[in-house]
Amino acid sequence: EAGVAQSPRYKIIEKRQSVAFWCNPISGHATLYWYQQILGQGPKLLIQFQNNGVVDDSQLPKDRFSAERLKGVDSTLKIQPAKLEDSAVYLCASSLFEDQPQHFGDGTRLSIL
Amino acid sequence: QQQVKQSPQSLIVQKGGISIINCAYENTAFDYFPWYQQFPGKGPALLIAIRPDVSEKKEGRFTISFNKSAKQFSLHIMDSQPGDSATYFCAAIPTGTASKLTFGTGTRLQVTL
Repeated sequence: EAGVAQSPRYKIIEKRQSVAFWCNPISGHATLYWYQQILGQGPKLLIQFQNNGVVDDSQLPKDRFSAERLKGVDSTLKIQPAKLEDSAVYLCASSLFEDQPQHFGDGTRLSIL
Repeated sequence: QQQVKQSPQSLIVQKGGISIINCAYENTAFDYFPWYQQFPGKGPALLIAIRPDVSEKKEGRFTISFNKSAKQFSLHIMDSQPGDSATYFCAAIPTGTASKLTFGTGTRLQVTL
């Protein structure tokens, strides 16, 4: 079984630029999550999708972050404009259903200059 | 507000020794407590999990001990091996959400020869 795929693995941008991350969940997984992991901390949930609908985006900074999951499969997370404090690893996870274990991708490491 | 407190921040154990990582929580609504293992450059992977109606769960060399009255739980790694060197996160999920993970701050474990 292929795991959660994320790209790019690394991204370096200057502050105020925009950036997008892509996630392809495990085939058949209905629930998809985006997490932000700042260095030295545990992952923090940004947004949760159930198929193509948003279940929880309470911790997503909506003034600069956006996410979509068209057709209930792949998902993109965008930051516009980026701030220095957005430097982190962005992890995507998926689960078969909401109450099933979450499988994480290897993340995208974002550095803001 | 840090809802799950984890200690120690780092831990060095000799091969064959016992690694012990502790977590404490405040929210009595938490009712599922997973532990994740994360290697450098990789996403977290579910290791073992417990519900509060059980005081101990063992899977191979990994054991979770749970003290509901003290709102504390711990991970014990018996016969620690160099391959266990990783960062370990405890986490908690509240009743009714099925999936909203709150992570601890992580413990970096190094197992020496």
